[in-house]
Amino acid sequence: NAGVTQTPKFQVLKTGQSMTLQCAQDMNHNSMYWYRQDPGMGLRLIYYSASEGTTDKGEVPNGYNVSRLNKREFSLRLESAAPSQTSVYFCAIEGTGNEKLFFGSGTQLSVL
Amino acid sequence: DAKTTQPPSMDCAEGRAANLPCNHSTISGNEYVYWYRQIHSQGPQYIIHGLKNNETNEMASLIITEDRKSSTLILPHATLRDTAVYYCIVREGNFNKFYFGSGTKLNVKP
Repeated sequence: NAGVTQTPKFQVLKTGQSMTLQCAQDMNHNSMYWYRQDPGMGLRLIYYSASEGTTDKGEVPNGYNVSRLNKREFSLRLESAAPSQTSVYFCAIEGTGNEKLFFGSGTQLSVL
Repeated sequence: DAKTTQPPSMDCAEGRAANLPCNHSTISGNEYVYWYRQIHSQGPQYIIHGLKNNETNEMASLIITEDRKSSTLILPHATLRDTAVYYCIVREGNFNKFYFGSGTKLNVKP
């Protein structure tokens, strides 16, 4: 997971609380992604950012906001957490020219 | 992006070749086929990708049919460490997003 740092690694929230998941890269790549993975399921795309200052919705954007204020960081915010948002969240970056995704180690979020 | 279909699970004996199929019958001419795998709860790991020609790297081989409607990922000598979920993805060019499906759970058995 070198190059992509996610914080925190674990978080427990109560319904209605808010929080921001942080993702930072040190590989100077343009594209960044946020995915969620529910138990026993595949990854679903929440939001995507092709470059600094731009974001685009994925498959499951409802209940989330994102921010890409600079090239290095892409944050995911839950304004009012719901139990349905209990999941593992992965941040990924896309290597320029080699078209590969590099993933962070994930954030395990539980909403009670 | 074209949709892919994969079997939910497969078994393979250790040391034998693992052949993982993927159907992408609606693939268009400029869509690439990518394979990733996810070991336990880690983030997915890139394996290989291709457009038309068969591809090989240190991890695996990718065989794409002539009509491009299906492909097979081949792990030539599967080990227990290859037990993972394998995802087949099609993506248009370099500017579209990566969408993961449900993948195939490969169980490599001693």
